[in-house]
Amino acid sequence: RKEVEQDPGPFNVPEGATVAFNCTYSNSASQSFFWYRQDCRKEPKLLMSVYSSGNEDGRFTAQLNRASQYISLLIRDSKLSDSATYLCVVNSRAGSYQLTFGKGTKLSVIP
Amino acid sequence: NAGVTQTPKFQVLKTGQSMTLQCAQDMNHNSMYWYRQDPGMGLRLIYYSASEGTTDKGEVPNGYNVSRLNKREFSLRLESAAPSQTSVYFCASSELTGGEETQYFGPGTRLLVL
Repeated sequence: RKEVEQDPGPFNVPEGATVAFNCTYSNSASQSFFWYRQDCRKEPKLLMSVYSSGNEDGRFTAQLNRASQYISLLIRDSKLSDSATYLCVVNSRAGSYQLTFGKGTKLSVIP
Repeated sequence: NAGVTQTPKFQVLKTGQSMTLQCAQDMNHNSMYWYRQDPGMGLRLIYYSASEGTTDKGEVPNGYNVSRLNKREFSLRLESAAPSQTSVYFCASSELTGGEETQYFGPGTRLLVL
């Protein structure tokens, strides 16, 4: 089983739609969880961290289910500018600096 | 602040040639990283440096060497390039915020090995 798995998509959604991405991770000892965003031919940028209690940043909501080893990202009221690849990222090694990246889910928001 | 900068942006090499990819950060971060990103593979860690003077192997270190020249700079060297090293290379640095490491990436170097 791959360490971090995501549905590669693409997800093609109309403007204003709500879209959800899922991610599973294999290491139950994983400590930290993140969503990064990567625009075409650009570098990844941190979108948000994911906390056990769930967290929200504007139109974006991230949730973590440690029992199921599952992370989700919900985007409400999609904008054209949300079109990007969303990377699920896990720090699987406590006390280390190594992040494991999923392959990403591509989102295209259509006018 | 420029953040994380990388040079060159693009490079074409012939098999067997050597080159060094440069990375610098002006955020006073202790930790720095080199990743490669290939289609369908996601980002994979090549080497990292937790602090000035230390370097450690990541997931895919074979064929690469690194140097943490000082706190700002972390270079990646390909001694004898191979077509399998055609990739996009990202450098990153990180800071500890609220108990979590946040990584900031450079714009990347696109390398083609013929």
